[in-house]
Amino acid sequence: EPEVTQTPSHQVTQMGQEVILRCVPISNHLYFYWYRQILGQKVEFLVSFYNNEISEKSEIFDDQFSVERPDGSNFTLKIRSTKLEDSAMYFCASSKGLAGALLQFFGPGTRLTVL
Amino acid sequence: EDQVTQSPEALRLQEGESSSLNCSYTVSGLRGLFWYRQDPGKGPEFLFTLYSAGEEKEKERLKATLTKKESFLHITAPKPEDSATYLCAVPRTGGGADGLTFGKGTHLIIQP
Repeated sequence: EPEVTQTPSHQVTQMGQEVILRCVPISNHLYFYWYRQILGQKVEFLVSFYNNEISEKSEIFDDQFSVERPDGSNFTLKIRSTKLEDSAMYFCASSKGLAGALLQFFGPGTRLTVL
Repeated sequence: EDQVTQSPEALRLQEGESSSLNCSYTVSGLRGLFWYRQDPGKGPEFLFTLYSAGEEKEKERLKATLTKKESFLHITAPKPEDSATYLCAVPRTGGGADGLTFGKGTHLIIQP
């Protein structure tokens, strides 16, 4: 069964460093998403991406965040200058589009720890 | 602003003891309500989508129902492996590739 994959599973970084989180969405899906979940809190939407551009972003997704689909399979989230409060689980998700546009399948997550 | 409220926050049941989890939502024009299961340290795993009031979906010991204001996830004769956090979500108001607004979840523990 196709699934969303994410790498690395755990990333530790120093405050102020740049990090790139990587995702491989399900191959025939057209819509891609990033969410985050701070420990003990709810899953929060960051950004959606379709047709090589950002479709929607939340107030959390400020100028220090960016997303890219550098090739036909990967979808990345970059955090330019990490802060302590960026420590969280980051989930990538994808959906088919059209009638199945809203049904999103999630990856296993990357745990980001900022020291 | 879209709101999703889940109750209870935590629920501890004995194996075989049936119960229901609640998800109340406030959105302008519901375009689907989603139930996910999340195990510790893992990503949300899709369970059900409901689109209109009165709709019901079933999978093994789980049944999801939807009204105009809330959804219930009924768990019948649960087993320890049903222990997880159950998340409810609705599409954010707005067009495009809609992100989901999640509730805080119900942490369910089934004791053998």
